[in-house]
Amino acid sequence: DAMVIQNPRYQVTQFGKPVTLSCSQTLNHNVMYWYQQKSSQAPKLLFHYYDKDFNNEADTPDNFQSRRPNTSFCFLDIRSPGLGDTAMYLCATSRDRGHTDTQYFGPGTRLTVL
Amino acid sequence: GNSVTQMEGPVTLSEEAFLTINCTYTATGYPSLFWYVQYPGEGLQLLLKATKADDKGSNKGFEATYRKETTSFHLEKGSVQVSDSAVYFCALMPTPTGANSKLTFGKGITLSVRP
Repeated sequence: DAMVIQNPRYQVTQFGKPVTLSCSQTLNHNVMYWYQQKSSQAPKLLFHYYDKDFNNEADTPDNFQSRRPNTSFCFLDIRSPGLGDTAMYLCATSRDRGHTDTQYFGPGTRLTVL
Repeated sequence: GNSVTQMEGPVTLSEEAFLTINCTYTATGYPSLFWYVQYPGEGLQLLLKATKADDKGSNKGFEATYRKETTSFHLEKGSVQVSDSAVYFCALMPTPTGANSKLTFGKGITLSVRP
């Protein structure tokens, strides 16, 4: 029944060691989003894919990259994680980008950078 | 720009108490409004939404009415349960939409319900 799946749920990495987080969806939605959520804060949008079209937020560090090889999967790559990248990373999907389109979130990956 | 303001928290209530969480917004046009809930260690779940003025969203005993005149979308529940303990986020999606549109969240408020 899970619609948006994230793996792993917990990830520990070392400072500077690249890490990849995975998201998959069974909804066949066009849009996939990646958010960063730090403790006691609202989610912050990093970027999104509209089909194969990548849309980066202006303030997203270059350290963060994303890939979407097909409709179902999207990956978040952190090339050289810093201590400040410790956070929950949330993937979300929506059918389209209209204002009535609901975003459906996955359970998140909690990343700890040591 | 677009913004969402939520009342300051945290909020602690006894079981079966009445709940109101205030949310006001600033946006041009007619945004859609959402309430998301986040249980500890989990992602966000859509609680309810409203897409036009005077719409009422409802789910699991929670309700919120889109009030254009007061730019508000307050969340209410008549009788809270311990299982409602979570963080609640109010959010808006602006119009018109496109590549630069994004969901704008309030800061969230933590609700704790004691038995």
